[in-house]
Amino acid sequence: EVQLVESGGGLVQPGGSLRLSCAASEFTFNRYWMSWVRQAPGKGLEWVANIKQDESEKYYVGSVKGRFTISRDNAKNSLYLQMNSLTVEDTAVYYCARGGPAGRCWYFDYWGQGTLVTVS
Amino acid sequence: EIVLTQSPGTLSLSPGERATLSCRASQSVSSSYLAWYQQKPGQAPRLLIFGASSRATAIPDRFSGSGSGTDFTLTISRLEPEDFAVYYCQQYGSSYTFGQGTKVEI
Repeated sequence: EVQLVESGGGLVQPGGSLRLSCAASEFTFNRYWMSWVRQAPGKGLEWVANIKQDESEKYYVGSVKGRFTISRDNAKNSLYLQMNSLTVEDTAVYYCARGGPAGRCWYFDYWGQGTLVTVS
Repeated sequence: EIVLTQSPGTLSLSPGERATLSCRASQSVSSSYLAWYQQKPGQAPRLLIFGASSRATAIPDRFSGSGSGTDFTLTISRLEPEDFAVYYCQQYGSSYTFGQGTKVEI
């Protein structure tokens, strides 16, 4: 069974930084686009960023451009999200989600359990 | 950006009843790149439907999706107790956006 396990969340002050990690297993990680999706407390889902298999393409939602950086290490089957200049609006559960093997136009078929980031 | 509007916000039904959830897009969703997810409290979303009408792996056939262009529907033919949850639609043809969710409650 595909597994995605996020870590790295916690409490951080406004203006601070945090790095999230997602450990993937039970599938060939380097064959899939990967995304981060977040959910503010009591709110809906918001896609944050995604990355192509070879890191040659990265995309971000407008509100995090220039502050967040998505990356991956295929040798370690891991996905990362470096978050800088955090604001209270970034408070959310951050999910790692698997995209598709071919192109960006793909749904998210597996999700991690999420890691909570609180900016306060 | 494609905005997805889900209705109703809350659907109050009983086990055994039929649930019909709507998702309307602000512009046409290319190639029916529309998915539905179920989320229960404290859990991650679970993929139910992709491509507007294809069920994901291990999803019961009481869940069905339909629609194209700007209007999409998720139907749960007979609600089981475990189906009471929040449902989100998502378009993935032009970046990614989610609807605000429909809560199906008893």
